Amino acid sequence: RKEVEQDPGPFNVPEGATVAFNCTYSNSASQSFFWYRQDCRKEPKLLMSVYSSGNEDGRFTAQLNRASQYISLLIRDSKLSDSATYLCVVGRGNKLTFGTGTQLKVEL
Amino acid sequence: ETGVTQTPRHLVMGMTNKKSLKCEQHLGHNAMYWYKQSAKKPLELMFVYNFKEQTENNSVPSRFSPECPNSSHLFLHLHTLQPEDSALYLCASSQEGVGGEQYFGPGTRLTVT
Repeated sequence: RKEVEQDPGPFNVPEGATVAFNCTYSNSASQSFFWYRQDCRKEPKLLMSVYSSGNEDGRFTAQLNRASQYISLLIRDSKLSDSATYLCVVGRGNKLTFGTGTQLKVEL
Repeated sequence: ETGVTQTPRHLVMGMTNKKSLKCEQHLGHNAMYWYKQSAKKPLELMFVYNFKEQTENNSVPSRFSPECPNSSHLFLHLHTLQPEDSALYLCASSQEGVGGEQYFGPGTRLTVT
């Protein structure tokens, strides 16, 4: 079983749509949780940290369920510029484990 | 953005060559990392340095040799690589003890011929 599992997609959605990504992780001792965004042939960039209480940053909402070892990302009112690969990342100390990513394509 | 820089951005080398990748971070962080990203695979952690000391070697072959002379600079020395080592090599840095958020450089795209 992979340490961090994500649906690779692609998710093709129209502009303005709401899209949700899910991720599961296997190590119950994981301490930190993130979503990173990676554009084609570029480096990953931190999108947001994820907390059990849930957190929101503009159109983006992330949620963590420690009991189910499940992380989610919700994007509202999708923009063309949201097209990218979204990486679910789980950490223990300063060691991060990355999922393979979910590809999002936002279309006109 | 120039928080973490890497050189060169692209490198083509033969299997008998020796080359080095360089990473520099301007964020005042004290931990630095090398990752490998191959097509269709997740990022793989290679090495971790905390305060210039190597704290993680993720079973990386000895043909990859890291060096961390200070908290701002990290090198990856390459020798006798194989074609399957062709990948994007990413450097990252973080502040130890602050939630684990890591910031990445643009990467070196390596092709081994």
